[in-house]
Amino acid sequence: GAVVSQHPSWVICKSGTSVKIECRSLDFQATTMFWYRQFPKQSLMLMATSNEGSKATYEQGVEKDKFLINHASLTLSTLTVTSAHPEDSSFYICSASRGEYGNQPQHFGDGTRLSIL
Amino acid sequence: AQKVTQAQTEISVVEKEDVTLDCVYETRDTTYYLFWYKQPPSGELVFLIRRNSFDEQNEISGRYSWNFQKSTSSFNFTITASQVVDSAVYFCALRGPNFGNEKLTFGTGTRLTIIP
Repeated sequence: GAVVSQHPSWVICKSGTSVKIECRSLDFQATTMFWYRQFPKQSLMLMATSNEGSKATYEQGVEKDKFLINHASLTLSTLTVTSAHPEDSSFYICSASRGEYGNQPQHFGDGTRLSIL
Repeated sequence: AQKVTQAQTEISVVEKEDVTLDCVYETRDTTYYLFWYKQPPSGELVFLIRRNSFDEQNEISGRYSWNFQKSTSSFNFTITASQVVDSAVYFCALRGPNFGNEKLTFGTGTRLTIIP
């Protein structure tokens, strides 16, 4: 069964709205979670690494003030797209790993399709 | 720097045919991990397999098999007797060994269409 839950699955909202996406690890604690963005027919692009209790690490080119990440507990990370505009429309996916070493697979949430009108 | 190349952008085969998806990777790490994920039209990413760099044994799981060749830096995925439900985008990914270094480097994906 699913080990990472992502909510909501779909969001349609007006330009200028801020949207919060939640990512939860269901049966394990995740000190690190990851946020990806995927445009249609393209690969996943890592946006940021979310660390529990500390600031997120953003990839080059990703606006920190635009994509706010909060990892307040060991089972929850949130991504807030602030003042969203049509160009922010995309598929956002989070992931978490059970372990802290490279040999553990990342489990992905079901993704959130964000459409900004 | 790490890099994963999936040269096949799209593949179409008739149902029951075998199909191989190619994956070539680059890394300076001596220990690393390779993964395959499946992304069906619904969008979620499904973990298929993990392979450690120090284990070159090939693996078979039902109709799926993986061929890891360290000498050619390849980690190919074969589906035998393909079925329509296999239609999806398949991603190969690479990850390093270090504590906290959990970033996955994804290939660009191969879109597989099984024609009934």
